[in-house]
Amino acid sequence: DAKTTQPTSMDCAEGRAANLPCNHSTISGNEYVYWYRQIHSQGPQYIIHGLKNNETNEMASLIITEDRKSSTLILPHATLRDTAVYYCIVRVVTTSGTYKYIFGTGTRLKVLA
Amino acid sequence: NAGVTQTPKFQVLKTGQSMTLQCAQDMNHNSMYWYRQDPGMGLRLIYYSASEGTTDKGEVPNGYNVSRLNKREFSLRLESAAPSQTSVYFCASNLAEQETQYFGPGTRLLVL
Repeated sequence: DAKTTQPTSMDCAEGRAANLPCNHSTISGNEYVYWYRQIHSQGPQYIIHGLKNNETNEMASLIITEDRKSSTLILPHATLRDTAVYYCIVRVVTTSGTYKYIFGTGTRLKVLA
Repeated sequence: NAGVTQTPKFQVLKTGQSMTLQCAQDMNHNSMYWYRQDPGMGLRLIYYSASEGTTDKGEVPNGYNVSRLNKREFSLRLESAAPSQTSVYFCASNLAEQETQYFGPGTRLLVL
């Protein structure tokens, strides 16, 4: 299974862009990268996902390198409410044809006033 | 539209006791999942149900059983709780296995 590696923690000033990196060097060609966040131990909240191309939605942008071995989640204007643990997840296809999320340990992002 | 709901929110058990964690979704999703999260860790898959009437083991199924009661509900049972099962349990669902998963608020379980 592909595994993800993320920094344990990061700080970001309020109003600035938060750039959260993720390494997934063993990812396979059909495996998607998903990002979720978890605020105060609540249920994980979906942010964005992608396969090859860069993606943007109302919450964030996802930049995937051309070789797909790493990606960066960008929160363009971080607010205090973005303080959370951010998980980079690889969605794998098992040998039985089912889909599975592989969670890492996440990055604890602290947005500073 | 409540999304994914879980009951109870908190539970304390003694070693050897049994209990059932309930999960329901009102999004007409076909697939449902049970995860556990230990302190400082990511989530690990216990069991999942790709569709009504089917269930399969995930990464850490030992000590648990599941029932997909109907399309809306997916329960997780601990027959004989152990301290190692102290964790936060999350239920999730998606329309189909390849789609984005949506998570419930979690059940915090302490086994003494």
